[in-house]
Amino acid sequence: AQRVTQPEKLLSVFKGAPVELKCNYSYSGSPELFWYVQYSRQRLQLLLRHISRESIKGFTADLNKGETSFHLKKPFAQEEDSAMYYCALRPGDKLIFGTGTRLQVFP
Amino acid sequence: NAGVTQTPKFQVLKTGQSMTLQCAQDMNHNSMYWYRQDPGMGLRLIYYSASEGTTDKGEVPNGYNVSRLNKREFSLRLESAAPSQTSVYFCASSETRANTGELFFGEGSRLTVL
Repeated sequence: AQRVTQPEKLLSVFKGAPVELKCNYSYSGSPELFWYVQYSRQRLQLLLRHISRESIKGFTADLNKGETSFHLKKPFAQEEDSAMYYCALRPGDKLIFGTGTRLQVFP
Repeated sequence: NAGVTQTPKFQVLKTGQSMTLQCAQDMNHNSMYWYRQDPGMGLRLIYYSASEGTTDKGEVPNGYNVSRLNKREFSLRLESAAPSQTSVYFCASSETRANTGELFFGEGSRLTVL
C-alpha cells in the first residue's frame, strides 16, 4: 500500500528552538518524496524534494530508507515558519499527501 | 502570470444539487489534479489526468466526475451533492513525471453542502 503518515497534527515551539516534523511512508518501489508548505492565505507550494538534497529557508530533510522516513528539520525556528506542512510521496503520475502538521512558532 | 485558476472560490449548495468546479492552467502542463482538503484528513486525490484525453481515479473518486476538456482545462463535477462533500477543493498541475514532479496549486474552492 502507498501511504504517507504524519503523526503530529500540531507542533508548537518557541522561536529559536529546533524543529522536526515527522513523516513516514509506505511504498514498495523507490520513493520520491517531497515537503509542501501552506502559509496562511497562500497557495500550497513545494518546499523541498529529497532528490535535490537542498536546504530551503533553513529546512532540510533526509530520506532514510531503512526507517522509511523523511523528517523535516530546522535547527532554529522562526515565527514566519508558522504554517501547515505536508509530506508527499510520488508513485507514478500522482502525488499522495499525508494528513499534515501545523507548525506554530511562538515569539 | 495566473498559473492555476479555479472558479468559483466559494459555493453553497443544497443536498442533491449539481455543480461544476472549473480549473485552468496557463503553464502548458500535461498533468492536472483535483484534491480535497479536510481537517485532519490532509489532501486526498479525487481524480487526475496525466495527459490530455486521459483521466484516472484517485483515492476518493466516488460522487465525482471529471472532464479534461483540453490541455488547459480540467473540470470537476458533483452530480448530486451530499453534505460529506463539504470541503475545500484544490486543482493542481504539473509537468510530466519525467520532470521535477512539482505541483502548482490553485487558490482553492470552498464548497458547503447543506
